Amino acid sequence: QVQLQESGPGLVKPSQTLSLTCTVSGGSISSGDYYWSWIRQPPGKGLEWIGYIHSSGSTHYNPSLKSRVTISVDTSKNHFSLKLSSVTAADTAVYYCARDFMVRGGVDYWGQGTLVTVSS
Amino acid sequence: DIQMTQSPSSLSASVGDRVTITCRASQGISNFLAWYQQKPGKVPKLLIYAASILQSGVPSRFSGSGSGTDFTLTISSLQSEDVATYYCQNYNSAPFTFGPGTKVDIK
Repeated sequence: QVQLQESGPGLVKPSQTLSLTCTVSGGSISSGDYYWSWIRQPPGKGLEWIGYIHSSGSTHYNPSLKSRVTISVDTSKNHFSLKLSSVTAADTAVYYCARDFMVRGGVDYWGQGTLVTVSS
Repeated sequence: DIQMTQSPSSLSASVGDRVTITCRASQGISNFLAWYQQKPGKVPKLLIYAASILQSGVPSRFSGSGSGTDFTLTISSLQSEDVATYYCQNYNSAPFTFGPGTKVDIK
């Protein structure tokens, strides 16, 4: 059974960089069948797709965040990471890491989500 | 980028009612559409992919249809455990945008 677990600070100061890591267990992040994604959800609002990385290293980001986002992968540790720079209060959200089954479509496994609050 | 819209934004129905939610893409996405269910305080759950294929373990009262720009999610007989917000998602081309959601509750 594949499991994903987010980790990282729950509080980030405005203008700083938000950094989260997603550790994957029960499956290899090196599999070419999946995109490894980040999705966020501001409190009381809908889902926003942030971007993905493939084990090959290819990435795609939401244009609305592209200038501030970096997603990277470490296959030796079976984890992938998100960095979001120059954060503001608008970046306060539950951040989910997820596995997107690219061959078939749809996010079939999600992390439990981690709330990141941007505040001084 | 492809924009996704959903209607209605919320609905209230009785147990046993047939419920239909509509999702529209701003341009054709073939059948590259997924539906998710998110219960209050919970992680989203994949219900349907490829517009009409039920994810393993999802009750058969859920069904999806459509292709191109117009899609529907149908709950054939609403149950109390179906109270949730439902999202569609384009995965034809990145960014894999979500619809704004439809909140379903019991009348």
